[in-house]
Amino acid sequence: EAGVTQFPSHSVIEKGQTVTLRCDPISGHDNLYWYRRVMGKEIKFLLHFVKESKQDESGMPNNRFLAERTGGTYSTLKVQPAELEDSGVYFCASSRRDGSYEQYFGPGTRLTVT
Amino acid sequence: AQSVTQPDIHITVSEGASLELRCNYSYGATPYLFWYVQSPGQGLQLLLKYFSGDTLVQGIKGFEAEFKRSQSSFNLRKPSVHWSDAAEYFCAVSPFDGLTFGKGTHLIIQP
Repeated sequence: EAGVTQFPSHSVIEKGQTVTLRCDPISGHDNLYWYRRVMGKEIKFLLHFVKESKQDESGMPNNRFLAERTGGTYSTLKVQPAELEDSGVYFCASSRRDGSYEQYFGPGTRLTVT
Repeated sequence: AQSVTQPDIHITVSEGASLELRCNYSYGATPYLFWYVQSPGQGLQLLLKYFSGDTLVQGIKGFEAEFKRSQSSFNLRKPSVHWSDAAEYFCAVSPFDGLTFGKGTHLIIQP
């Protein structure tokens, strides 16, 4: 089966611009997660979708971040307007709803805000 | 709130030598524990997980980890490392939702 894919792999934008990251989970995985790793820090949880519903968005940094998962398939994470501290690697992961709690990660999108 | 500590940022090991990566966690209940590995340009790959039962768990690529409740530890081990094991390793704990990760340990393999 195809793995979790993320697009783009890299993005360089200027402060104040808008960027949209996309994640395509493994087919059939109802759970979708977003994480972020800022340089030198640990990978931090941002939010969790179950199908199209936000189950937990306690890790979202502020209201400049908007995540959607229309139709319960792919998800987008929009940052508007971007700030310098938003730079980092954004990971997406997906898992089945079978109690295995095994999350499959994508390769990440490296976002640089200048 | 839960937390994970990986005290070693970098570890250098000679090829063929044994390896132990340390992980300590703080969590109020019985944790679900995981070790992930990230090779350059790749996503995180699950090496192994512990939910309950036997405290010594076997994973992929010859790795194993031992859960020690008394020490709040879940250290990762491998008896003989290969150059292809050079990567960054992450310990993580999960209640039921998002994972909480440690800061990661870079493993460097010397020839």
